[in-house]
Formats: sequence, C-alpha cells, structure tokens
Amino acid sequence: EADIYQTPRYLVIGTGKKITLECSQTMGHDKMYWYQQDPGMELHLIHYSYGVNSTEKGDLSSESTVSRIRTEHFPLTLESARPSHTSQYLCASSEYSQGQETQYFGPGTRLLVL
Amino acid sequence: GIQVEQSPPDLILQEGANSTLRCNFSDSVNNLQWFHQNPWGQLINLFYIPSGTKQNGRLSATTVATERYSLLYISSSQTTDSGVYFCAVGGSNYKLTFGKGTLLTVNP
Repeated sequence: EADIYQTPRYLVIGTGKKITLECSQTMGHDKMYWYQQDPGMELHLIHYSYGVNSTEKGDLSSESTVSRIRTEHFPLTLESARPSHTSQYLCASSEYSQGQETQYFGPGTRLLVL
Repeated sequence: GIQVEQSPPDLILQEGANSTLRCNFSDSVNNLQWFHQNPWGQLINLFYIPSGTKQNGRLSATTVATERYSLLYISSSQTTDSGVYFCAVGGSNYKLTFGKGTLLTVNP
C-alpha cells in the first residue's frame, strides 16, 4: 500500500490569492497524477508526471501548473484563485509492479474560493 | 477518447444483500481498476483487473475484455460498503479515464 499525503486537507481562500497544494509520496513511484473532482461527479485528470522534470497536461483543461523536481513531491499551484476553482483536488501515484499498474490516492484537498 | 459507462448510478441495499455493479467501456484497454470512495472522499483501490476474475473477501470482479465490460460483485453487504464505486480504464499511457460512479447506500 502506498503512503501518499496531501496538505492542506481543507482550504478557504479569497479570489486572486496564489495557492499551492502539496502532494508527497514515500513509495518512490515514478508516476504521479492530479485529478479534479466536483461533488458527486467523476474524477478528471488535470496533470500527470512520468518522472522528475516530466509534466504533462491532462484531459481536463486547468489554469493550474505543476512541477516535479523531486520524485516524491508533486505540488500544484494556482497563481490567482477564482470561485470556479472551487473543487476537490486528488493526488495519486503509481508504479508498474508484479504485473500491475495500480494508482494509489491521497486523501484530497477540498478548496473553496470565495 | 475512451468512454466509460457505469450502471446503475444509484443503488440502495439492506445489509446482507448482494449486488452487481457494471462498467462498460468503448475501446480495448490495458488497465482497468475499481475504486471505492468513502463518504470522507478517500479513494481506495479495490482491484486491478484488465481481464479475468479476482476475489478479495466479499468482493470479486470479472472483466471480459473482448466484450468491453467489467462487473464488480459485492456479497453480504455491510454499512461500511456505502460510498461511490468507480471504474477507471486506461491504455498504454498509464492515464486513467473514470466513469461517473455508482453511489451505493447500505442500510442497517
């Protein structure tokens, strides 16, 4: 089982503020992902990384940016938060092992932009 | 992109009942996973099952890749089984596409 951590768990912030959502994993997984999930809805991939210095945009367009300068760390940044960014953000990691590519998820960050 | 449809969207059971959740997908896949999201939002991986059958306690899953569907079976359901069950599929690029989920409520 992967250990993957997200901070903060909850964040209420005003419009226009810069925020960074932290995600760390201790399993040494190469691949990491950020998903956005509105209440009662499916997950949408917004960013992913296959390793250090590798980042790609996902299937859902997002104004956020990510960086991957260390294997274990994959932070997501919003330069200027808006109410439309209100959502839950889930971080995940995966590695191919024993014939399986399983994604493990962090507990999520619930963001409310006023 | 690949389409994922889950059914039923909602399911209400009495404790002890059995249930079957279905996931249909529109193209061949290299990766299929079932997840459970608990009421606090945490997603837990239940199965990695791009083909074949697996069992883990009261849960089992079967994927028929040639017919592009997967089934998740829950037997003797418990209140702790409540939550949303997601099916997610992917190709060779490690990205997953999620279905809209099945909201399961198990009443005591």
